[in-house]
Amino acid sequence: QTVVTQEPSLSVSPGGTVTLTCGLNSGSVSTNYYPSWYRQTPGQAPRTLIYSTNTRSPGVPDRLSGSILGNKAALTITGAQADDESDYYCALFMGSGVWMFGGGTRLTVL
Amino acid sequence: QVQLQESGPGLVKPSETLSLTCSVSSGSVDTGSYHWFWIRQTPGKGLEWIGRLSYSGSATYGPSLKSRATISVGTSKNQFSLKLSSVTAADTAMYYCARARGFPTFDIEIWGQGTMVTVSS
Repeated sequence: QTVVTQEPSLSVSPGGTVTLTCGLNSGSVSTNYYPSWYRQTPGQAPRTLIYSTNTRSPGVPDRLSGSILGNKAALTITGAQADDESDYYCALFMGSGVWMFGGGTRLTVL
Repeated sequence: QVQLQESGPGLVKPSETLSLTCSVSSGSVDTGSYHWFWIRQTPGKGLEWIGRLSYSGSATYGPSLKSRATISVGTSKNQFSLKLSSVTAADTAMYYCARARGFPTFDIEIWGQGTMVTVSS
């Protein structure tokens, strides 16, 4: 069974840089999976940050960037701020009309 | 800006069928190259993609709920629905509807606010 993997938790210092990754339990993530990234704060619906690997949604600052690193999709946050503290989810288009989410990464800024 | 709104019972008994509707503020689900999603989030856990209704009317489902979920056009073409049969307490979750774009982005563009469904007798 295919599983989309993310780090369960990460931490970053204010002003620092952190990279969240999105992989597959078997195989590599490429641009053909059209990876997208979503942020969710408690009690709110998710918000789209990045799509098609590296395209920012309107209003997303350029200190957030998406890429492919090795065999995974990646979301890099530079100049981390307190309000970056959230849950982050990646999603992959698996083909044949099926999408999958990763398990999410809880990012702490401390 | 198109908005999505989920509606349905907040409480469902075990073994019954959960039925939710997503209302689209403008346009219909069969226009544009959009995909209409249902996504859920169990308390304290991550997002789970339940399935989608394409603009052409075809539905596809994630592996874990494939045997129990049905997504279809609603009673009017600006609505789509989710039915989940034989529910148990494990189906207690926040349910979101969403609009996704197809090729070449395949991203979730618009989210509903979500509706909480509790399965309990």
